[in-house]
Amino acid sequence: RKEVEQDPGPFNVPEGATVAFNCTYSNSASQSFFWYRQDCRKEPKLLMSVYSSGNEDGRFTAQLNRASQYISLLIRDSKLSDSATYLCVKEDSSYKLIFGSGTRLLVRP
Amino acid sequence: EAGVTQFPSHSVIEKGQTVTLRCDPISGHDNLYWYRRVMGKEIKFLLHFVKESKQDESGMPNNRFLAERTGGTYSTLKVQPAELEDSGVYFCASSLAGLLETQYFGPGTRLLVL
Repeated sequence: RKEVEQDPGPFNVPEGATVAFNCTYSNSASQSFFWYRQDCRKEPKLLMSVYSSGNEDGRFTAQLNRASQYISLLIRDSKLSDSATYLCVKEDSSYKLIFGSGTRLLVRP
Repeated sequence: EAGVTQFPSHSVIEKGQTVTLRCDPISGHDNLYWYRRVMGKEIKFLLHFVKESKQDESGMPNNRFLAERTGGTYSTLKVQPAELEDSGVYFCASSLAGLLETQYFGPGTRLLVL
């Protein structure tokens, strides 16, 4: 079983839609969690860290549920520029990042 | 401020040849990581340097891979001899020392072994 599991998608949504991505992880010792964004043929870039209390950055909201080992990302009012692959990532105790396979989002006009 | 840079951006080699990838981290970043994404798979950790020391090399696939970071600045990753299954995108990332520091990724080197 993979340490980080994501639905690969693609999620195909119209502009302005709200879309939610989910991710589950194993190994509850993991300390830190992130969402990274990766555009086609580009490097991953940090979108936001994920905290148990939930955190919001503009149109993006991330949530961590440690009891269920579940992470979510909500994107409101989707823009064309949001089209990308969203990577669910955890950091283990030795600081290495463990990636999910990514969820692809396509926002159409 | 310059980001993480990697060279070359692409490399096409034949099975059995040697390839050396280079990563220049962000200036002042003690932590340097190598990751790899092979076709159809998720990005996977290879190894972690703290300055010039290998902190964790648990992700290195086998002894055909050799990473160095002499002087604690740039790093090289050599594959010798290359095999077909080594094809993929090799990413380098760097971060400041300390906990909860963001890892910044380079653009990657796309390696194709024929």
